Amino acid sequence: DAGVIQSPRHEVTEMGQEVTLRCKPISGHNSLFWYRQTMMRGLELLIYFNNNVPIDDSGMPEDRFSAKMPNASFSTLKIQPSEPRDSAVYFCASSSSGSNEQFFGPGTRLTVL
Amino acid sequence: GENVEQHPSTLSVQEGDSAVIKCTYSDSASNYFPWYKQELGKGPQLIIDIRSNVGEKKDQRIAVTLNKTAKHFSLHITETQPEDSAVYFCAAVSGGYQKVTFGTGTKLQVIP
Repeated sequence: DAGVIQSPRHEVTEMGQEVTLRCKPISGHNSLFWYRQTMMRGLELLIYFNNNVPIDDSGMPEDRFSAKMPNASFSTLKIQPSEPRDSAVYFCASSSSGSNEQFFGPGTRLTVL
Repeated sequence: GENVEQHPSTLSVQEGDSAVIKCTYSDSASNYFPWYKQELGKGPQLIIDIRSNVGEKKDQRIAVTLNKTAKHFSLHITETQPEDSAVYFCAAVSGGYQKVTFGTGTKLQVIP
């Protein structure tokens, strides 16, 4: 198994631009999580999907952030418009029902200039 | 909501010595406590976990203890090796789903 796949691995963009981060969870996993990691705030849960349905989006910082999961094998996290303070590493993780273990992807390092 | 505090933020030990990382949590409803290891440029990876009905769990050189009354849990690494150098995160899980609240991380450096 290839594990959780994220793309791109690195993204550099200018303030105001739209950014789309992509995630492919492990096949068979029905839970998907988006996290943001910064030095100041550590690892923060942004949103959690179960069976493609958003269950908890209380961690989404503001309306500029949105996430979708159109099917069991794909999810996106979009920031529009992006701001310098959005610069962070964004992780996607997935898990299977009946297990608490989350498998993390390699992350996307986002830099907003 | 849940709040997890982790100490120390950095830890340097000589190879072969033991390392201990401590965490506290606030939500008495939390019932699952995983520990993740994050190597440079990678995502966190689960290394050991413990549930609230168990006081201690060991896996080779790694052990975790849990004190539910005090809301403390700790990670113990014995006979440390250079490849143990990484950032370690404790976490607490509560609620009807797998909402994980992470600690702030401990950067462990094992000096050869």
